[in-house]
Amino acid sequence: EVQLVQSGAEVKKPGESLKISCQGSGYSFISYWTGWVRQMPGKGLEWMGIIYPGDSDTRYSPSFQGQVTISADKSISTAYLQWSSLKASDTAIYYCARQDSSGVLEYWGQGTLVTVSS
Amino acid sequence: DIQMTQSPSTLSASVGDRVTITCRASQRISDYLAWYQQKPGKAPNLLIYKASNLESGVPSRFSGSGSGTEFTLTISSLQPDDFATYYCQQYNSHSGTFGQGTKVEIK
Repeated sequence: EVQLVQSGAEVKKPGESLKISCQGSGYSFISYWTGWVRQMPGKGLEWMGIIYPGDSDTRYSPSFQGQVTISADKSISTAYLQWSSLKASDTAIYYCARQDSSGVLEYWGQGTLVTVSS
Repeated sequence: DIQMTQSPSTLSASVGDRVTITCRASQRISDYLAWYQQKPGKAPNLLIYKASNLESGVPSRFSGSGSGTEFTLTISSLQPDDFATYYCQQYNSHSGTFGQGTKVEIK
């Protein structure tokens, strides 16, 4: 069974750094792109970027380029999304998802709520 | 960037109604269009890919059509479990864009 399990909710202050995780199981993690999607409170879905753990090829949406860093550790089948300096506007639920070869987000993690508040 | 526009933003309907949601792309995307359903507090769930292909396990009352720039998601007979928000997404292997969502509410 394909599963993506994300790390737990985080509460941070503006300016702090953060790295959240997404562990895949039930499939060959290095053979599929893993994507990240943001959902701000009460808002829609936003495609952030993807990583191919096999070779760490990473692509970002122009809206998120330079704002976050996507990485992966294929030895533990885990993808990461990180911030170096959080802002209140980063408050959102972040989902990871397995992407098939065409770009469809087939399987989703349960989401990680990130709250940034002073 | 390719922009995706869904209509309507909110739809009020009754159980048993036929419901149609439209998604328009700002440029031609062939049939690289997916539909997702999201219920409150839950992750999105893939319903349809490549414009008209039903994901395994999705009820047959859901169908998709279209190509180029205009696409539709149809629910042939709305069920209580279908009240949710629906998103279209254009995709290719290296990028994607979602529509703003359509909330299907109980009338």
